[in-house]
Amino acid sequence: AQSVTQPDIHITVSEGASLELRCNYSYGATPYLFWYVQSPGQGLQLLLKYFSGDTLVQGIKGFEAEFKRSQSSFNLRKPSVHWSDAAEYFCAVGAGRGSTLGRLYFGRGTQLTVWP
Amino acid sequence: DSGVTQTPKHLITATGQRVTLRCSPRSGDLSVYWYQQSLDQGLQFLIQYYNGEERAKGNILERFSAQQFPDLHSELNLSSLELGDSALYFCASSGLVTDTQYFGPGTRLTVL
Repeated sequence: AQSVTQPDIHITVSEGASLELRCNYSYGATPYLFWYVQSPGQGLQLLLKYFSGDTLVQGIKGFEAEFKRSQSSFNLRKPSVHWSDAAEYFCAVGAGRGSTLGRLYFGRGTQLTVWP
Repeated sequence: DSGVTQTPKHLITATGQRVTLRCSPRSGDLSVYWYQQSLDQGLQFLIQYYNGEERAKGNILERFSAQQFPDLHSELNLSSLELGDSALYFCASSGLVTDTQYFGPGTRLTVL
């Protein structure tokens, strides 16, 4: 069965420090992987996605993620965190593209707190 | 702004009642997805429509139903509401080119 695990429920970092949020997935077919961010009272905003090709993908707001098939992981990183990055981050896996793009399976999220 | 709109933003109602949540997808997007976000279950997929037809069903209760209209907007109907239905309901849309689901701001439903 498809599933996504985000092992860290809550992470606290100091502003300017580096960040890595972990994501492991279980998916039988070729996975399409996503990271979304949710600020309080807001919807989900796409940070980045991986479909194929280069396993290191760049996203918005200075985020990047690396797909490692051997580890079934898709960890999100940022070299220097800003206070405005405080939010909840969700990893998701899906299948299909274009007209066959189907449902997403989400992890439970990682809440990021940034200390000034 | 994702381009997906949802109304209302907040909804407070009583147990046993029925409500309708509305979603307008991004211009040109044919697929609409509904998700429920709760503290207990996290983000759960409910149902997907593609160009007016139901395409996939997830953990959607029989008390819940949805439809997508010819203008591609979608409605999620929740009936015989229970306290446990209190949650944030998101709509997302995707198109033929984007390969990405874009989420609306959500409707927060509170059942008292």
